[in-house]
Amino acid sequence: EAGVTQSPTHLIKTRGQQATLRCSPISGHTSVYWYQQALGLGLQFLLWYDEGEERNRGNFPPRFSGRQFPNYSSELNVNALELEDSALYLCASRERGGINYGYTFGSGTRLTVV
Amino acid sequence: GENVEQHPSTLSVQEGDSAVIKCTYSDSASNYFPWYKQELGKRPQLIIDIRSNVGEKKDQRIAVTLNKTAKHFSLHITETQPEDSAVYFCAARTRTTNFGNEKLTFGTGTRLTIIP
Repeated sequence: EAGVTQSPTHLIKTRGQQATLRCSPISGHTSVYWYQQALGLGLQFLLWYDEGEERNRGNFPPRFSGRQFPNYSSELNVNALELEDSALYLCASRERGGINYGYTFGSGTRLTVV
Repeated sequence: GENVEQHPSTLSVQEGDSAVIKCTYSDSASNYFPWYKQELGKRPQLIIDIRSNVGEKKDQRIAVTLNKTAKHFSLHITETQPEDSAVYFCAARTRTTNFGNEKLTFGTGTRLTIIP
């Protein structure tokens, strides 16, 4: 079974630009979660998508947005990039409604804003 | 919202000794508590979890205990080995409005170093 895949692995952008990060969940998983992990810090919840809808978002400004496609893959967009957006962005998926509550994480996209 | 506190932030243990990491949570309705291990440059991986209807769970050298009354849970690693060196995160499943208990809130992590 393929795991959660994220692309690109690394992304370098200039301040003010936009970044698009992609995530493909495990087959059969309908819920996708995005987390930001700044260097040396913990995992901060960004967004949760399920069945194509945004279900919840964390304490981040509106320039962090995303969507989920009919095949349950997801995209995270960060507009007007700031230096402090530099971080590892992790995507996780879960089979909503399943007995397994745990999330499976992808390897992340390391975004560097210069 | 839910708040999860984790201690200590760093922990050094002699190889073969035990390591204990503790977390407290604020939402008394939380019902699921996983622990993740993140090795340097890798993804967080689920190593053990516990649900609120159980007080303790063990998997080989790893165990987790839950005290619902005190709202804290702990990770215990016995007979530590060098490959146990990593950052460990606790988490609690948080109730979200209108759509069930779906969000995991993570602690700030513990960097565990096993000294050979």
